[in-house]
Amino acid sequence: DIQMTQSPSSLSTSVGDRVTITCRASHDIRNYLNWYQQKPGKAPKLLIYVASSLQSGVPSRFSGGGSGTDFTLTITSLQPDDFATYYCQQSYSTPHTFGQGTKLEIK
Amino acid sequence: QEQLVQSGAEVKKPGASVRVSCKASGYTFSFYYIHWVRQAPGQGLEWMGRISPDSGATNFARKFQGRVTMTRDTSINTAYMELSRLTSDDTAIYYCARDYGGKLDYGLDVWGQGTTVAVSS
Repeated sequence: DIQMTQSPSSLSTSVGDRVTITCRASHDIRNYLNWYQQKPGKAPKLLIYVASSLQSGVPSRFSGGGSGTDFTLTITSLQPDDFATYYCQQSYSTPHTFGQGTKLEIK
Repeated sequence: QEQLVQSGAEVKKPGASVRVSCKASGYTFSFYYIHWVRQAPGQGLEWMGRISPDSGATNFARKFQGRVTMTRDTSINTAYMELSRLTSDDTAIYYCARDYGGKLDYGLDVWGQGTTVAVSS
């Protein structure tokens, strides 16, 4: 199975900050990397698919990059609505494993 | 609009089985994989498996093989996930979700509301 490692596990940030979350795969997954946002009590929401494609309706302050084993999710100018937990997921091979999550907290 | 609606919360005893349903609407059910993901209390997301609604073909995470069954009824656009031999470790919210790319593994864009399964003696 492909292991996904996210860092950091949590991040204390402020509105207006630029944030980058990283995700590393244990094997080459080409660009089959997806990013989700989850808020308490809600289902996850797809933000970015195949590494860098922005899902419809997602604000352009979210962007994804990388290929192979190393990926990033960047949020420019954090908004109050962005404080949530973020997960990466590889969809290159089954099982489609998730990272352990990164919780963004208000400083 | 595209939607997945899941069945209601369940409380089960250890050793029992649970079946969760996931009814699709607003899109062509057979065109898109349905995945199942669970989340234990306070924990992260765990991919369980997927089913191809047209063929019924399935893929499961190794830890669930032998204990999980995924089926579908295309006449009512509904997918099912059954988990047997439940233990307290199976207490979680279970989600179904649609593959955005159909069968291209592009991520999960439409999610059900989640079904809480509690396992307790």
